[in-house]
Amino acid sequence: DGGITQSPKYLFRKEGQNVTLSCEQNLNHDAMYWYRQDPGQGLRLIYYSQIVNDFQKGDIAEGYSVSREKKESFPLTVTSAQKNPTAFYLCASRTTVATNEKLFFGSGTQLSVL
Amino acid sequence: LAKTTQPISMDSYEGQEVNITCSHNNIATNDYITWYQQFPSQGPRFIIQGYKTKVTNEVASLFIPADRKSSTLSLPRVSLSDTAVYYCLVGEEDSSYKLIFGSGTRLLVRP
Repeated sequence: DGGITQSPKYLFRKEGQNVTLSCEQNLNHDAMYWYRQDPGQGLRLIYYSQIVNDFQKGDIAEGYSVSREKKESFPLTVTSAQKNPTAFYLCASRTTVATNEKLFFGSGTQLSVL
Repeated sequence: LAKTTQPISMDSYEGQEVNITCSHNNIATNDYITWYQQFPSQGPRFIIQGYKTKVTNEVASLFIPADRKSSTLSLPRVSLSDTAVYYCLVGEEDSSYKLIFGSGTRLLVRP
């Protein structure tokens, strides 16, 4: 089955701890994205990557880091510098054949602070 | 400055037609307009996409005027299961890969 897999579904972070959220896709998509969603709010772009070994900051990149060493993987690290990390995190991907290619989303990771 | 502007919420009743309008005054020439639906604690899913005029699929229609500064998602005969948040999405003018979602429209369908 093709798709995007995010893990874990729920994650808890202690004060001062870095945590990494996994996002894997087997759709052969070049572009991948991370969004943050707070309760009752819309999606805000954290980072995006158009191609392997390249990524750009979105609107709220502070306190987060990413890597794109493989086409199918785009992990997001929530660092201790992110003071309010509790949110629902969504990963997405799409092809880059044309500019109108639609996004496919994972099922999300809910991150909470202990 | 918001890329897209939508009503925050809308109410409807089962069986009615619902129209949700999105404003995107600064849409770039090569931008498409894409609409997504999101249920609680799930990722958004694609509904429909268009460039100009009218597009229709099995779940919705999309109306885009000639100036393309707005678009209207039309959901015919809504049911309770259409209760969700609806987002319109256009790319950034300087990068079609930087996809910024607006705040979305919360649609509540009542019995």
